[in-house]
Amino acid sequence: QKEVEQDPGPLSVPEGAIVSLNCTYSNSAFQYFMWYRQYSRKGPELLMYTYSSGNKEDGRFTAQVDKSSKYISLFIRDSQPSDSATYLCAMGETGANNLFFGTGTRLTVIP
Amino acid sequence: DTGVSQDPRHKITKRGQNVTFRCDPISEHNRLYWYRQTLGQGPEFLTYFQNEAQLEKSRLLSDRFSAERPKGSFSTLEIQRTEQGDSAMYLCASSFQGPNQPQHFGDGTRLSIL
Repeated sequence: QKEVEQDPGPLSVPEGAIVSLNCTYSNSAFQYFMWYRQYSRKGPELLMYTYSSGNKEDGRFTAQVDKSSKYISLFIRDSQPSDSATYLCAMGETGANNLFFGTGTRLTVIP
Repeated sequence: DTGVSQDPRHKITKRGQNVTFRCDPISEHNRLYWYRQTLGQGPEFLTYFQNEAQLEKSRLLSDRFSAERPKGSFSTLEIQRTEQGDSAMYLCASSFQGPNQPQHFGDGTRLSIL
């Protein structure tokens, strides 16, 4: 079993829809959680960073962490065609230096 | 542009050849990381530097791989005697020092082994 599980999709939604992306993990030592967006042939771009449990909102993006369920989510409101990309969840242990990534979910927003 | 810079963007080489990639981190960052990403997968950690010291290596970093960061600025990743399985995107990231700092990635070097 991988430490981080993420549905690879692909996921297609109409423009304006609310998108929900999720990851589960098995390592209870993970304390900080990130979401990255990766366009084709580009590097991952940091979208959201959360430490421990709770919610964080930034514009159209909301990240949620539920440590009791070992489950994290990213919500995208009013999705745009420019949101079409692969979304990667990543997480790490306190004091550790390496991140553990999910496989990524490929999202297409249809105009 | 003050982001992480990687060079070259794409490298094509024959099996058995040596290749070297370069990474220039964000100038204020003293931590630098190398990851490998294969098609349809998330990045996997290879190694990490704090300033010029290489402090951690993954088991993925076989003895054919070597990384350096002289003077604590740019870093190089060399792969000797390349194999088909080395074909991947090699990503560099950097961060501030301190626990749990977010890592910022470059656009990677795509390695293709013929």
